[in-house]
Amino acid sequence: EVQLLESGGNLVQPGGSLRLSCAVSGFSFSTYAMGWVRQAPGKGLEWVATINYRGDSTYYADSVKGRFTISRDNSENTLYLQMNSLRADDTAVYYCAKDSGSSGYDPGDYWGQGTLVTVSS
Amino acid sequence: DIVMSQSPDSLAVSLGERATINCKSSQSVFFSSNNKNNLAWYQQKPGQPPKLLIYWASTREFGVPDRFSGSGSGTDFTLTISSLQAEDVAVYYCQQYYTTPFTFGPGTKVDIK
Repeated sequence: EVQLLESGGNLVQPGGSLRLSCAVSGFSFSTYAMGWVRQAPGKGLEWVATINYRGDSTYYADSVKGRFTISRDNSENTLYLQMNSLRADDTAVYYCAKDSGSSGYDPGDYWGQGTLVTVSS
Repeated sequence: DIVMSQSPDSLAVSLGERATINCKSSQSVFFSSNNKNNLAWYQQKPGQPPKLLIYWASTREFGVPDRFSGSGSGTDFTLTISSLQAEDVAVYYCQQYYTTPFTFGPGTKVDIK
């Protein structure tokens, strides 16, 4: 059974940093691209970042470029999102998603339950 | 960036009736090298993560009931629920994965009339 478990969400002050993790099981992690999608309270879905299966290609939304870094540890079956210089408009539930392919140019076919990041003073 | 729009914003349909959701992209998401449209549909129920329903605009994900179907090409796409069931109450999103940023539509809320 495919499982994705996000962790690391928390309340953080504006300008602060946070690292999200997504531990996966039930599939060959190193074979698939992975991504992060967020959803602000009461709002729609916003794609944040994607990383290919080897971790040598990464893609970011303009809203997070230069502040967020997506990475993966294929030996630990874990995806990460390092978030720096956080702003109030980064407040959202962050979902980890498995891509259906390896390149990063595929839809997300499995999703975690999400972790809440709140940026507020 | 490719801008995705959806219509209507919400709709209420009687049980057993057809529900139709439209999605339009600001530029074509047709990939000529594989002759496919890089367009997906997701269903999101309250308090749950999104669930992939349709990819390549018309291919149903494994396990998705056949009352869900996708159609369209280029810039105009449609998700059809042929006979609405109570468990289909949700928000539906389209997404293009043709080019980054992989943009989502704003969502369409489906309710029971």
